[in-house]
Amino acid sequence: SQQGEEDPQALSIQEGENATMNCSYKTSINNLQWYRQNSGRGLVHLILIRSNEREKHSGRLRVTLDTSKKSSSLLITASRAADTASYFCATDNTGFQKLVFGTGTRLLVSP
Amino acid sequence: NAGVTQTPKFQVLKTGQSMTLQCAQDMNHNSMYWYRQDPGMGLRLIYYSASEGTTDKGEVPNGYNVSRLNKREFSLRLESAAPSQTSVYFCASSEEVGAASTFGSGTRLTVV
Repeated sequence: SQQGEEDPQALSIQEGENATMNCSYKTSINNLQWYRQNSGRGLVHLILIRSNEREKHSGRLRVTLDTSKKSSSLLITASRAADTASYFCATDNTGFQKLVFGTGTRLLVSP
Repeated sequence: NAGVTQTPKFQVLKTGQSMTLQCAQDMNHNSMYWYRQDPGMGLRLIYYSASEGTTDKGEVPNGYNVSRLNKREFSLRLESAAPSQTSVYFCASSEEVGAASTFGSGTRLTVV
């Protein structure tokens, strides 16, 4: 399977803390994307980082990419209860012509 | 701006019945996808259409067929439903394959 893996599978923090989740993948990529899924809803695209980029920011989100280690991390700063959701990474693998999703990290932010 | 619209939102089928899940996007995207999501499995690609007039198998195509009716619409058909097809189905679209995707709200299908 080409599927990536997120780590940890579940993360529980308090409001105001930072949340970091990691994604590892297996093959060379064109880009890596992060999505959020609130319970029972569709996925929402958060950020896309290309293989020639090392870091990208969007509001309270910071994504890093290390292609030599085939890994990425998503940092959510100053977490809020509304950030409670599952977070998925997805890779656009070179030559594979479609996104491959990981199994997700469930984030719980408690007030 | 509706984005990606899926119908129905919920469906219960008996084993052996057939049904078609409908999906439409209004963003003029070239590529469309059907995924299924099962607990602990993440999203798995069933079929995709890179552009109007083309369709290709994804990771788990068995038991499904698709039709790219036009640029806006991409339907998924279950010819003879099986309990193993109980899942949440998501349609998505993107400007091109591998670009950021916009997802529909999902169809929760139960096969009894």
